[in-house]
Amino acid sequence: RKEVEQDPGPFNVPEGATVAFNCTYSNSASQSFFWYRQDCRKEPKLLMSVYSSGNEDGRFTAQLNRASQYISLLIRDSKLSDSATYLCVLNSGGYQKVTFGTGTKLQVIP
Amino acid sequence: DAGVIQSPRHEVTEMGQEVTLRCKPISGHNSLFWYRQTMMRGLELLIYFNNNVPIDDSGMPEDRFSAKMPNASFSTLKIQPSEPRDSAVYFCASRLWEGMAAFFGQGTRLTVV
Repeated sequence: RKEVEQDPGPFNVPEGATVAFNCTYSNSASQSFFWYRQDCRKEPKLLMSVYSSGNEDGRFTAQLNRASQYISLLIRDSKLSDSATYLCVLNSGGYQKVTFGTGTKLQVIP
Repeated sequence: DAGVIQSPRHEVTEMGQEVTLRCKPISGHNSLFWYRQTMMRGLELLIYFNNNVPIDDSGMPEDRFSAKMPNASFSTLKIQPSEPRDSAVYFCASRLWEGMAAFFGQGTRLTVV
């Protein structure tokens, strides 16, 4: 089983829609969680950290469920500029190795 | 504040040649990561350093790959000899401390012909 699993998509949604991505992880000792976005031919960029109590940043909401070992990202009122690949990331192990999921591709359609 | 700086941005080389990729992490960061990204395999962690010491190199594909971090402000990833299947984008990332997110350089696009 992969350490971090994501649905590759693509998710094609109209502007203004709400879309949610999930990511499951296998290492129950994972300690820190993040969502990154990656635009075509660019480097991954941090979107937001994911906290145990859930957290929100504008139109973006992230949640962590340790019992079921998944994290989620909710995007409300999708914009064309949200089109990108969203990567689930976790830090685990003694020196907190950074492991990326394979990413979920989002395409927001006019 | 400068981010992670990688060089070169693009590299085209012939099979069998030695390739050296360079990375300058963000000042003060104590962890450095090398990743490789291809369409088929996504982002793969090759090796990472903590306080200049290699912690985990299990992702290095084979002995042709080597990485060094002689000081806190510089790291290299070397491929010798290079092969066409090494063609990919190589990213370097650094992190302030273990619980935090990593920040990426713009990557080196390597093409081996």
